[in-house]
Amino acid sequence: GAVVSQHPSWVICKSGTSVKIECRSLDFQATTMFWYRQFPKQSLMLMATSNEGSKATYEQGVEKDKFLINHASLTLSTLTVTSAHPEDSSFYICSARGLAEAAYEQYFGPGTRLTVT
Amino acid sequence: GQNIDQPTEMTATEGAIVQINCTYQTSGFNGLFWYQQHAGEAPTFLSYNVLDGLEEKGRFSSFLSRSKGYSYLLLKELQMKDSASYLCAVIPGDDYKLSFGAGTTVTVRA
Repeated sequence: GAVVSQHPSWVICKSGTSVKIECRSLDFQATTMFWYRQFPKQSLMLMATSNEGSKATYEQGVEKDKFLINHASLTLSTLTVTSAHPEDSSFYICSARGLAEAAYEQYFGPGTRLTVT
Repeated sequence: GQNIDQPTEMTATEGAIVQINCTYQTSGFNGLFWYQQHAGEAPTFLSYNVLDGLEEKGRFSSFLSRSKGYSYLLLKELQMKDSASYLCAVIPGDDYKLSFGAGTTVTVRA
């Protein structure tokens, strides 16, 4: 089945630094990747949609200059949290959808736990 | 915005049945999903409904009524490992973006 990986699985960084999270589709080509954020005991909130070779589209209220998304290849998308602050501490999850997938199929990565101190 | 409502918490006994309801008011409808999420892990796909009716898959069943904006997830023969959060999600548009409900935490007790 389709597998999506994320790296790192957890990261601790100091306030003001930047952190990059990778999302990879391991056995299929992901034309579209979605980035979500989940705070404790809350649901997933879509941050942005990333299409290979084009600029990401951000949901309302998400700062595109703070959360940089790059989808340079059909198997890799990256999310960079720039100048991280403690309020950015969250669980970041990506999902991927490929060309050959049925309309509804979207595969989730295992998530990255970010803690900003 | 999209409005997807589900109960916050439910508790049931091992071996019993639990039904998790989800109501939605969205700008459009291209399918409803149920996901299971254990603490600290990513969601795993349980079911997808786009037409009215009941979809059964082993111990889990999902029902949809588009006219009522309503779905439920039925968990039968509950096991301890079913203790998790269950997320209802809708694709309102043609762009495959998922809108999630807040999730229902199910606790299974012995």
